[in-house]
Amino acid sequence: GAGVSQSPSNKVTEKGKDVELRCDPISGHTALYWYRQSLGQGLEFLIYFQGNSAPDKSGLPSDRFSAERTGGSVSTLTIQRTQQEDSAVYLCASSLAGGNLYEQYFGPGTRLTVT
Amino acid sequence: TQLLEQSPQFLSIQEGENLTVYCNSSSVFSSLQWYRQEPGEGPVLLVTVVTGGEVKKLKRLTFQFGDARKDSSLHITAAQPGDTGLYLCAGAPTSGTYKYIFGTGTRLKVLA
Repeated sequence: GAGVSQSPSNKVTEKGKDVELRCDPISGHTALYWYRQSLGQGLEFLIYFQGNSAPDKSGLPSDRFSAERTGGSVSTLTIQRTQQEDSAVYLCASSLAGGNLYEQYFGPGTRLTVT
Repeated sequence: TQLLEQSPQFLSIQEGENLTVYCNSSSVFSSLQWYRQEPGEGPVLLVTVVTGGEVKKLKRLTFQFGDARKDSSLHITAAQPGDTGLYLCAGAPTSGTYKYIFGTGTRLKVLA
């Protein structure tokens, strides 16, 4: 079956521009995660959606970052007024439900470069 | 703040050699996972260990969770070029949590 897909795969943008990153989770998965992976670093938790519950936004690094999940499926991560330090790979994952009992399936990521 | 430190950061070995990668913390974790990530792809789960002292084997890969649940190791026997990738450990601070703490990774290259 189809895995988690993300688009675009690569995005180059100028400092100060806004960007939108998209994630299509596996059908039927109620939990969705966004992570950021900077060069030489591990994965940094950004935001978590579970069903109709309020998202856990505690990992968002600043108010320039926001995310939404429409209809319990597709999610969009938006970064406003991008900065060079935002350059990283943004990974999306989904799981059947939330919590460490359920395996997270990751998408291939979006590589964001801010020039 | 809970941290997971992985060592070594980089490892380049010849095909057929054995290796061990370590994941250490001063904090206790409810469970710990190991992932492998290949270039241009997302991480793929290899194993989850839950019980202190637990050992799990996946073909040539052996995973161990420390008795105190603060550390873990991944041992690869007779490494092959297909084992090349970034190995990440991730710890769950509490049972049922969805917020894993990820280590910084070990980048392994196996030369043919």
